[in-house]
Amino acid sequence: SQKIEQNSEALNIQEGKTATLTCNYTNYSPAYLQWYRQDPGRGPVFLLLIRENEKEKRKERLKVTFDTTLKQSLFHITASQPADSATYLCALEGGGYNKLIFGAGTRLAVHP
Amino acid sequence: NAGVMQNPRHLVRRRGQEARLRCSPMKGHSHVYWYRQLPEEGLKFMVYLQKENIIDESGMPKERFSAEFPKEGPSILRIQQVVRGDSAAYFCASSPTGTDNEKLFFGSGTQLSVL
Repeated sequence: SQKIEQNSEALNIQEGKTATLTCNYTNYSPAYLQWYRQDPGRGPVFLLLIRENEKEKRKERLKVTFDTTLKQSLFHITASQPADSATYLCALEGGGYNKLIFGAGTRLAVHP
Repeated sequence: NAGVMQNPRHLVRRRGQEARLRCSPMKGHSHVYWYRQLPEEGLKFMVYLQKENIIDESGMPKERFSAEFPKEGPSILRIQQVVRGDSAAYFCASSPTGTDNEKLFFGSGTQLSVL
């Protein structure tokens, strides 16, 4: 069955550094992959979508890569700020109808 | 433009009672999705609905759970005879038709606690 893995340990970085989060998946070839941000007690918020034929996507300080050979996506936040502290979720297209398969998320803490 | 509205935010039920969770999608969105999130776990797809139609309910337990999205009014996720294992955060999401239809817009969720 489809499996998606994100680092379960929290990522602690210093303000101004680049945060890099990893998403690995197995047993599937998704047409696209998405990243969401989730704050405590809130619903996820869409950040970026990258399709299987795209290697890289950027939006302001965010960058996503998608390697379909390695079955991996990397999510980068450059010049990180304490306000970037949140849990970041990776989600795969799971077989039509926007049925997304979510990873458990990686908690990012950016320290001043 | 209001976002996806879910209510109640918190719902406490005793075992055996019924839980009704409501979701109003964003204006102009005709696709509604329900997801369940357990602590330290990812969101799990439950059901996808369009107005008056269930399109995909493959993630929803066959017993005790049902969902609807009537022509008028919010989408309802109904859980009958709740058990402790139903305690979780239930999120509703909506998406538009056409451009950007893969993006999901989530509500703030309903935290269900079963005593």
